[in-house]
Amino acid sequence: DIQLTQSPSFLSASVGDRVTITCRASQGISSLLLWNQQKPGKAPKVLIYAASTLESGVPSRFSGSGSGTEFTLTISSLQSEDFATYYCQQLNSYPWTFGQGTKVEIK
Amino acid sequence: EVQLLESGGGLVQPGGSLRLSCAASGFTFSSYAMNWVRQAPGKGLEWVSGISGSGSSTYHADSVKGRFTISRDNSKNTVYLQMNSLRAEDSAVYYCAKFRGWGQGTLVTVSS
Repeated sequence: DIQLTQSPSFLSASVGDRVTITCRASQGISSLLLWNQQKPGKAPKVLIYAASTLESGVPSRFSGSGSGTEFTLTISSLQSEDFATYYCQQLNSYPWTFGQGTKVEIK
Repeated sequence: EVQLLESGGGLVQPGGSLRLSCAASGFTFSSYAMNWVRQAPGKGLEWVSGISGSGSSTYHADSVKGRFTISRDNSKNTVYLQMNSLRAEDSAVYYCAKFRGWGQGTLVTVSS
């Protein structure tokens, strides 16, 4: 199985901050990576697919980069509605696997 | 607009069975693999099962292999998850998922 390691697990930041979350795969997955956002009590929502393509309707302050084994999600200027948990997800092969999540909280 | 609507969750005793359904709309259902992903309370996301667009290939996590079965009916745009021999650790919100799409989830609680 492909393991995804996200860092950090927890992040405390202020509105307006630039935030970066990293996801490392245990083996190469090309660009077959999604970034999901989940708010408490809600279903996950896809922000970015194919490692760097912004999902329709997602604000442009979100961006993704990387390929192979190293991936990054960046929020250029954190907004109040961005406080949530973020998960990377690989679709290269079954079983699908997820990072352990990064909880972004207000400083 | 892609819509995935799960149903069938509820309270079941250990050892019992439950069948989840996911009704899909807004895309060509038979062209997409479909999956079930679960999330235990306060925990992360765990993929459970997947099925190819035609239904000819199925995949299950080791934790549910031999107990859960995924299937689909392309004439009804619906995917199912038959869950047998349920355990307390199967308690979770179960999401129906496709590439770039999630349902709203259905809660399964296994308890006596």
